[in-house]
Amino acid sequence: GQQLNQSPQSMFIQEGEDVSMNCTSSSIFNTWLWYKQDPGEGPVLLIALYKAGELTSNGRLTAQFGITRKDSFLNISASIPSDVGIYFCAGLRSQGAQKLVFGQGTRLTINP
Amino acid sequence: DTAVSQTPKYLVTQMGNDKSIKCEQNLGHDTMYWYKQDSKKFLKIMFSYNNKELIINETVPNRFSPKSPDKAHLNLHINSLELGDSAVYFCASSPWPIHTDTQYFGPGTRLTVL
Repeated sequence: GQQLNQSPQSMFIQEGEDVSMNCTSSSIFNTWLWYKQDPGEGPVLLIALYKAGELTSNGRLTAQFGITRKDSFLNISASIPSDVGIYFCAGLRSQGAQKLVFGQGTRLTINP
Repeated sequence: DTAVSQTPKYLVTQMGNDKSIKCEQNLGHDTMYWYKQDSKKFLKIMFSYNNKELIINETVPNRFSPKSPDKAHLNLHINSLELGDSAVYFCASSPWPIHTDTQYFGPGTRLTVL
């Protein structure tokens, strides 16, 4: 079935560093989303992107909707300990059954 | 108040048993979902209900039977549990048509089948 390829699968960084992760697909999506999941919790929406080329920020987070509509990236600047968690990209098509397709997740670990 | 709640939080059971997970949302949303997250953290949709009607069924074994008594509730019943059913199950809700910036997930139910 549909799948999003998310990379990297895991990241180990120092506090204060910037982080970048991305998501690609062989299919076009009309909406790209980025979620964060803390241990023992459900995913929480961070940023939603609705137009090709759109660049959106949420505090230290910035995400972009790729021009081809087949990719998206998420950047986190000046990482802090509470950024630790698993980040998921998700795509939504407007046609057909409305369901989110998720990437495999990027596990972020921060060394203080 | 919690927007999307699930019970129980943890469920440990033997192979072959039947169990249920309950989900409730107090957001007034029309659509509710069940997702399965495996040990590798991969999230996959299982079912979606809009106004108590099934709209998505992602080739889930028929041992899994969702039931939506009303718009605010979507329960998941699993018959004859198998080892491979061990996972975290998330309930979610959103308005219809799906407004992706308002899809809320519950805290998850960790199911362990022994």
